[in-house]
Amino acid sequence: GAVVSQHPSRVICKSGTSVKIECRSLDFQATTMFWYRQFPKQSLMLMATSNEGSKATYEQGVEKDKFLINHASLTLSTLTVTSAHPEDSSFYICSAQPATGGAETQYFGPGTRLLVL
Amino acid sequence: GNSVTQMEGPVTLSEEAFLTINCTYTATGYPSLFWYVQYPGEGLQLLLKATKADDKGSNKGFEATYRKETTSFHLEKGSVQVSDSAVYFCALSDSGGYQKVTFGTGTKLQVIP
Repeated sequence: GAVVSQHPSRVICKSGTSVKIECRSLDFQATTMFWYRQFPKQSLMLMATSNEGSKATYEQGVEKDKFLINHASLTLSTLTVTSAHPEDSSFYICSAQPATGGAETQYFGPGTRLLVL
Repeated sequence: GNSVTQMEGPVTLSEEAFLTINCTYTATGYPSLFWYVQYPGEGLQLLLKATKADDKGSNKGFEATYRKETTSFHLEKGSVQVSDSAVYFCALSDSGGYQKVTFGTGTKLQVIP
């Protein structure tokens, strides 16, 4: 099946620094990529949706200047957490969707665990 | 807005036991319903889906029926195996258009030999 990778799988950083997380579709072209955040014992919360070559669409309550999303190619999207603080510590998951197909064709990455000290 | 409620875990079962994980939803219109599974260290994988009322999704021995009258989509398996140990997420997406996915909180299943 289709594979989506995320890098890094886990990262620890100091408060105030920025962290970049990559999401790659390895064997298909993803016109749309989604970024989710998951708190312990809570559901995945959609943060933003990015379409290749255009600005990301952020969900209500998500700070677009803090969570910078770039979808520069059909196989790569990046999420940059700027000036990270301890409350940004979380599990970040991306998914990628090819041009043809609906929600059932979203393929998920394994997630990135971010810990901000 | 849309929401999904599923039973809290963890659920611990012996091998070959019967599994039910309850899921109910709130949505406008006619959503599609999904169960995703996340094995340790891996990404979420689509387990099964149903797109309209009374549809039954099935895969790998798991089944779930889209019940519009009770707004439910309970996951069942007749005989679980140790390899079924994972976290299971119930989810829905809006019909048509953008198809944003709304997830439940996930239920961890542990099957012991």
